[in-house]
Amino acid sequence: DVKVTQSSRYLVKRTGEKVFLECVQDMDHENMFWYRQDPGLGLRLIYFSYDVKMKEKGDIPEGYSVSREKKERFSLILESASTNQTSMYLCASSQGGLNSPLHFGNGTRLTVT
Amino acid sequence: DAKTTQPPSMDCAEGRAANLPCNHSTISGNEYVYWYRQIHSQGPQYIIHGLKNNETNEMASLIITEDRKSSTLILPHATLRDTAVYYCIVPERSNTGKLIFGQGTTLQVKP
Repeated sequence: DVKVTQSSRYLVKRTGEKVFLECVQDMDHENMFWYRQDPGLGLRLIYFSYDVKMKEKGDIPEGYSVSREKKERFSLILESASTNQTSMYLCASSQGGLNSPLHFGNGTRLTVT
Repeated sequence: DAKTTQPPSMDCAEGRAANLPCNHSTISGNEYVYWYRQIHSQGPQYIIHGLKNNETNEMASLIITEDRKSSTLILPHATLRDTAVYYCIVPERSNTGKLIFGQGTTLQVKP
């Protein structure tokens, strides 16, 4: 089974802090994704990466950056956390292509105070 | 993404089959239909996907109409642990793997 592991289940940070959310997948998948999920807004794509050192903006990249130095690891960075970034953050990976499902981690619930 | 339409909510009795419908009338010839579910406070879980033929795995069956404009996810013997939000998704053709999640169907399995 594919395993996507997010480093923290719950995280509390202060406004202005730099925050790192880590995600690791163990299936040698090409593609990795970061979503955030908020009540009433569903899942929204922040960034994705289809190869090491490659990244593309999703629908809501503002206030975020990403890093993919190794194939198995995809990091989401909040350069200066704000209260409106309080959310559930979900990482996913896939092999790529139309016939390739996404596999999600269990999420990190981030609270910015 | 091809637009999908699902009912907002459904109930099912425990032990009975749950049939979750999805309309995707603008689907293109090489686009797959994917189903995911999300149990409260967990990440979405992949269930099944298909292109033209019906598919079955250990979790569910997927029935796709011949014209591919709609599909039905079948949980053959629903349990209380199947209570979740179920999403029917048709990814964009260029497929970077990007998925757009709609509001899905909230399935409530009742004892």
